[in-house]
Amino acid sequence: NAGVMQNPRHLVRRRGQEARLRCSPMKGHSHVYWYRQLPEEGLKFMVYLQKENIIDESGMPKERFSAEFPKEGPSILRIQQVVRGDSAAYFCASSPGQGNTGELFFGEGSRLTVL
Amino acid sequence: GENVEQHPSTLSVQEGDSAVIKCTYSDSASNYFPWYKQELGKGPQLIIDIRSNVGEKKDQRIAVTLNKTAKHFSLHITETQPEDSAVYFCAASTGRKYIFGTGTRLKVLA
Repeated sequence: NAGVMQNPRHLVRRRGQEARLRCSPMKGHSHVYWYRQLPEEGLKFMVYLQKENIIDESGMPKERFSAEFPKEGPSILRIQQVVRGDSAAYFCASSPGQGNTGELFFGEGSRLTVL
Repeated sequence: GENVEQHPSTLSVQEGDSAVIKCTYSDSASNYFPWYKQELGKGPQLIIDIRSNVGEKKDQRIAVTLNKTAKHFSLHITETQPEDSAVYFCAASTGRKYIFGTGTRLKVLA
C-alpha cells in the first residue's frame, strides 16, 4: 500500500539547467497537488491537476514552470533555466478526487538545490 | 485572494503542559479544516481534521475546535511530550484548493 512517491528526493542543478520532479500519487488517486516550501516557511500552493488536465495553476510562476499529469505515468513538475531562488522543497500531495473534501496525502518531498 | 493566518509562529511549552495553535481563514466557502504535523526532512502528515458541520473533534491528546461564524479554528494538544515537537500547519479547503497557514514550530521542553 505505497503512499505518494516523489523522486528524486534530492536534486542539485546549476543555474540555467532544467529540473524535473516526479510524483506518483497513491493508488486510486486521480488528483495531484504541488506545493513549494522555502526553508523555515509554509507550504505555498502551486498547481492542482487531474489526469490530463490542469485544474488550477494560479500559484505557478508564469515563466519557466510547468506541470503535467499524463494519462499514464507520474505527474511531473518541470522548472526550466533554474535560478538560485528556485532552491526549495517541492511537495506533491494526492487525493481521491474533486468534490471529495478529504485528506491530502503528502510525499516526502524533492529538495532542489541550485548552485 | 484566499488566506489562512496562523499564530503563533513559534511555541515553547514544558513537557506535560498544553499547547494551543490558532488559525483564521478568509474564504467562507471553506468546509474542511485539516491539521498537519511536519517533522524535520519529512512530508506533512495529517493528525486531525474537522468538517464545517462539526464544532469540535477530539482524538486522544489532540482536539480541534471550529467557529464558522468567526472563521476561526484551533488545535489543542494536551499533556505534551517531546515527540510532539515539530512544525504544525493548519489548512482550509473548499474541496478544490487547500490553503495552508504559515506553520507553528512547537518545542516541547523536557
